[in-house]
Amino acid sequence: QVQLVESGGGVVQPGRSLRLSCAASGFIFSNYAMHWVRQAPGKGLEWVSIISYDGSNEYYADSVKGRFTISRDNSKNTLYLQMNSLRAEDTAVYFCARGSSKYATVNFDYWGQGTLVTVSS
Amino acid sequence: QAVVTQEPSLTVSPGGTVTLTCGSSTGAVTSGHYPYWFQQKPGQAPRTLIYDTSNKHSWTPARFSGSLLGGKAALTLSGAQPEDEAEYYCLLSYSGALWVFGGGTKLTVL
Repeated sequence: QVQLVESGGGVVQPGRSLRLSCAASGFIFSNYAMHWVRQAPGKGLEWVSIISYDGSNEYYADSVKGRFTISRDNSKNTLYLQMNSLRAEDTAVYFCARGSSKYATVNFDYWGQGTLVTVSS
Repeated sequence: QAVVTQEPSLTVSPGGTVTLTCGSSTGAVTSGHYPYWFQQKPGQAPRTLIYDTSNKHSWTPARFSGSLLGGKAALTLSGAQPEDEAEYYCLLSYSGALWVFGGGTKLTVL
C-alpha cells in the first residue's frame, strides 16, 4: 500500500535551517510529482511546493520562494524540503502528498501524517 | 498570488443537504483550475474527496459530489451524517503548477 512518512521536524531558532524528508513506498516513486503542504497550528492548509517526477521542474508559494528548496532522490524514494532563513510564521505541520504521474493527472491522493516544525528562540 | 474563498462555517441537519463553495479572486472558477475538495478531522491528515471538479476516489462516500456552480466550485453533501462534521478545504490550480487552498469551511452536523 502507498505510504508517505515525513521526518526531520523539530524546534529551530529563527534564521536557522532545517531539512525535512518524506520516505515513499508502495508505488513507483520516480513516476510521480510530489508536493509539500503545511498547516500552522489551528490554521488552514497552505500549499508550499511541487517537484516534477524527475526533479527537472519545481514551483513554490510566494511565502517560501527564495528560502525553501524542494528536491528528490529517486534512487532512495525520498522527497526533501530544505528550509533556510526560517521565520516564526513557518511554524507548522508539514505534509508531503503524492502528485500526478506520467499516466494520470490526479494529485494529492495520498498524504503523509506530517512532521511538526517549530521556529522559536 | 490568487486568493481562494470559502464560507468560514456552515451547519447542516442530519440527513440534510448542504453546498460548500469555492471562489477565486481572479474570476470565475473553471474546470481549468482542476478544483479539489479535502476533508480534515482534528489531528488527522487531509483526505481527498473530489478531484478535477467532480471526480471521486474509491473511498469517497457517494453522498459527496462536486460541480461548478455560478462561477465557483461547489461541494454538495446530500444526506449528511454525524461523521461528516469536519473542516473542508478546496484547492485550485493556477497555470498548472501553482496551487492555492481556500481558508476552509467548518461544517457542523447538528
